[in-house]
Amino acid sequence: GEDVEQSLFLSVREGDSSVINCTYTDSSSTYLYWYKQEPGAGLQLLTYIFSNMDMKQDQRLTVLLNKKDKHLSLRIADTQTGDSAIYFCAESRMNSGGYQKVTFGTGTKLQVIP
Amino acid sequence: EPEVTQTPSHQVTQMGQEVILRCVPISNHLYFYWYRQILGQKVEFLVSFYNNEISEKSEIFDDQFSVERPDGSNFTLKIRSTKLEDSAMYFCASSEGTGVNEQYFGPGTRLTVT
Repeated sequence: GEDVEQSLFLSVREGDSSVINCTYTDSSSTYLYWYKQEPGAGLQLLTYIFSNMDMKQDQRLTVLLNKKDKHLSLRIADTQTGDSAIYFCAESRMNSGGYQKVTFGTGTKLQVIP
Repeated sequence: EPEVTQTPSHQVTQMGQEVILRCVPISNHLYFYWYRQILGQKVEFLVSFYNNEISEKSEIFDDQFSVERPDGSNFTLKIRSTKLEDSAMYFCASSEGTGVNEQYFGPGTRLTVT
């Protein structure tokens, strides 16, 4: 079955860049996503990338996809204390029901040190 | 911006009791989902729902679980006889349809079974 793996914890200093990495196994993934979950809150979609793209940039966020190695990363430039949260990598593929079935990773807890 | 809402935010129930978790998806969305996140673990897919029937369900979604769209706006998850291991955060999501099919998540309901 599909599997998505992430490291559990990352600590960075405020103002530095954060890079959160993710690997996945499903070669038929259509989209790859990064979700943010703040304490006690729901899942916020930060960004997604279509599987035929290599890179996507959105303000402070840069997503890099290496489809050959099934490796996805999220870079947050100028990390702020408000970026402290759990970041979930996810992948989806179209299934027989006609929708994207999403599989989540374990989540990486980002701690930003002032 | 339209959003998915869920009620209640926190539900405490005794083992063996029935609970109903409620969700109001985004109004023009056609696909609805429930996910579960046990504390400290990954977000797990439970069920997807389209055209008034279940499209797909995971092995977690056994006979104790059911979903319903009782009217044009609500989407509910019922657990008939709760177990301690049902304690988790339950997320509802909805999506417009196929294609990019971004799934919008609600804030979650924290279910505590005592």
